Amino acid sequence: EPEVTQTPSHQVTQMGQEVILRCVPISNHLYFYWYRQILGQKVEFLVSFYNNEISEKSEIFDDQFSVERPDGSNFTLKIRSTKLEDSAMYFCASKLAGGTDTQYFGPGTRLTVL
Amino acid sequence: QQQVKQSPQSLIVQKGGISIINCAYENTAFDYFPWYQQFPGKGPALLIAIRPDVSEKKEGRFTISFNKSAKQFSLHIMDSQPGDSATYFCAAKNSGYALNFGKGTSLLVTP
Repeated sequence: EPEVTQTPSHQVTQMGQEVILRCVPISNHLYFYWYRQILGQKVEFLVSFYNNEISEKSEIFDDQFSVERPDGSNFTLKIRSTKLEDSAMYFCASKLAGGTDTQYFGPGTRLTVL
Repeated sequence: QQQVKQSPQSLIVQKGGISIINCAYENTAFDYFPWYQQFPGKGPALLIAIRPDVSEKKEGRFTISFNKSAKQFSLHIMDSQPGDSATYFCAAKNSGYALNFGKGTSLLVTP
């Protein structure tokens, strides 16, 4: 069964450094998302991406964050200057098309900012 | 503003029992209500979902009950098994893109 994959599984970085989290959505999916989950808290929406542009973003997704689909298979989340509070599990998700609401989540990247 | 409120925070059920998790929402524009199951170290996986035009949906041992007037929906796990031990999240979505998640319920099914 096709899956969303994410790399790395765990990323440790120093405060102020840039990080790029990578995702490979399910191949024929058209909608892509990033969510985050701070330890012990709920999953929070960050951004959605469709047709090579951001379709919706939350207030968490400020100027420090950016997303990109650099090629036909990868979807990335960049955090320009990481803060301690960016430490969380980051989930990528993808959705087939406009007629369905089912989002498929990847296994996540645990980001630890020291 | 917490758009989706979930309870209880944790739940312990004996094997064979019924697990019930409740959610309430505020935004009447929500029209899609999924439940996700998450095992430690894994991403959330869709378990079952419902739209407000039906009051109940059943898939195997999992049932969603939906009360539109009360703006509440619940997940029932019949004949709960130790393998069901996981964190369960309810969520809600309107015509936009974002899933709004509840805070999660940690379910432990004891043998």
